[in-house]
Amino acid sequence: DQQVKQNSPSLSVQEGRISILNCDYTNSMFDYFLWYKKYPAEGPTFLISISSIKDKNEDGRFTVFLNKSAKHLSLHIVPSQPGDSAVYFCAASGYGGATNKLIFGTGTLLAVQP
Amino acid sequence: GAGVSQSPSNKVTEKGKDVELRCDPISGHTALYWYRQSLGQGLEFLIYFQGNSAPDKSGLPSDRFSAERTGGSVSTLTIQRTQQEDSAVYLCASSLRFGGSFGNTIYFGEGSWLTVV
Repeated sequence: DQQVKQNSPSLSVQEGRISILNCDYTNSMFDYFLWYKKYPAEGPTFLISISSIKDKNEDGRFTVFLNKSAKHLSLHIVPSQPGDSAVYFCAASGYGGATNKLIFGTGTLLAVQP
Repeated sequence: GAGVSQSPSNKVTEKGKDVELRCDPISGHTALYWYRQSLGQGLEFLIYFQGNSAPDKSGLPSDRFSAERTGGSVSTLTIQRTQQEDSAVYLCASSLRFGGSFGNTIYFGEGSWLTVV
């Protein structure tokens, strides 16, 4: 059972436009959410995170939005740059039981076209 | 070292052989995690360590997989009698304390690419 879902395996965006990557989760015990970015042949690198007590967190060109009632979060990249082309993983964790480890989605491959 | 270090970076092995993958976490990090990513798949949790103990081994795919951590530092993931479906990149990560939470970034190594032929 996939607790963290990224339903779009790929996304193509023009340079300078907004990239929106989506993520859904099923377990209401999750209270901390993260986005990781992964280039080919490299390990994932932490990008941005959000706690469940917030609905938005911004860091430069990257903003993560959390909608707890919908169990949905999204990552916005504005403006998109060719160097942003990578696989983006959504991850979630919580306290106790099966949620106390970092659970990843299947990733979305973002291609930013020059 | 400055980051999570994994070795070997690439390993090709024959079906049925045993392999050992090593992870050297960031100094001072008490929590250590193993994940794997098979071709076209997401990151699959395998096991984590809090210090030298592994409270949750539920992610290990079969009893051919085992892991240990000594001295609260280096960890070894061992796969016995490798099968072709074990081919994947095995990623190690570490953090100051266990779990994803504010101020507790989980850092990943570059992975060990295993190919079983």
